[in-house]
Amino acid sequence: DTEVTQTPKHLVMGMTNKKSLKCEQHMGHRAMYWYKQKAKKPPELMFVYSYEKLSINESVPSRFSPECPNSSLLNLHLHALQPEDSALYLCASSQTGVSYGYTFGSGTRLTVV
Amino acid sequence: DAKTTQPTSMDCAEGRAANLPCNHSTISGNEYVYWYRQIHSQGPQYIIHGLKNNETNEMASLIITEDRKSSTLILPHATLRDTAVYYCIVRVARGTGGFKTIFGAGTRLFVKA
Repeated sequence: DTEVTQTPKHLVMGMTNKKSLKCEQHMGHRAMYWYKQKAKKPPELMFVYSYEKLSINESVPSRFSPECPNSSLLNLHLHALQPEDSALYLCASSQTGVSYGYTFGSGTRLTVV
Repeated sequence: DAKTTQPTSMDCAEGRAANLPCNHSTISGNEYVYWYRQIHSQGPQYIIHGLKNNETNEMASLIITEDRKSSTLILPHATLRDTAVYYCIVRVARGTGGFKTIFGAGTRLFVKA
């Protein structure tokens, strides 16, 4: 299995809702990442997990809460989002170390209404 | 963090080589150069990476100058399916076991029939 699977592919949520994005990989990668991408912009790094521990938080607002329950799963819990949080949310994984490329999922397109 | 500079857009005729330049004049000695591409509405796709030697794989070739301040991605026989945004990235080590892949604006490559 050489893929990163993200679910759901599309999500519409209200500003008072709580929802979660899910990311799964079975490549044995021990580093996982969340990126946010607005239309016509490059992906922006949000969080980095290394060996299931949060390694980097790029000053993301607390309404985004990441979780890495095991080495294959990465979740992003969403609560009280704003319309400007609407974007494509991308998950990626890699082996740890500086000389390994990332494998990205196809993303979850989130719309906050 | 080392910054990369790329042309905003480029055109290439189908069947010809596409040469995409990237400037990374502030790169440090242990930082790798990575190339990814993103086809519309999909997750980024890893293409190739290198440290100081030229690299080739089934997708592309990467030429890095001797001073490592710039590189060129070469798609030897571009097809219409190579139309995408191409990102040149210098991967940075930060934190305990954490590595940041920060995307710049990228080059929008149009392959024309």
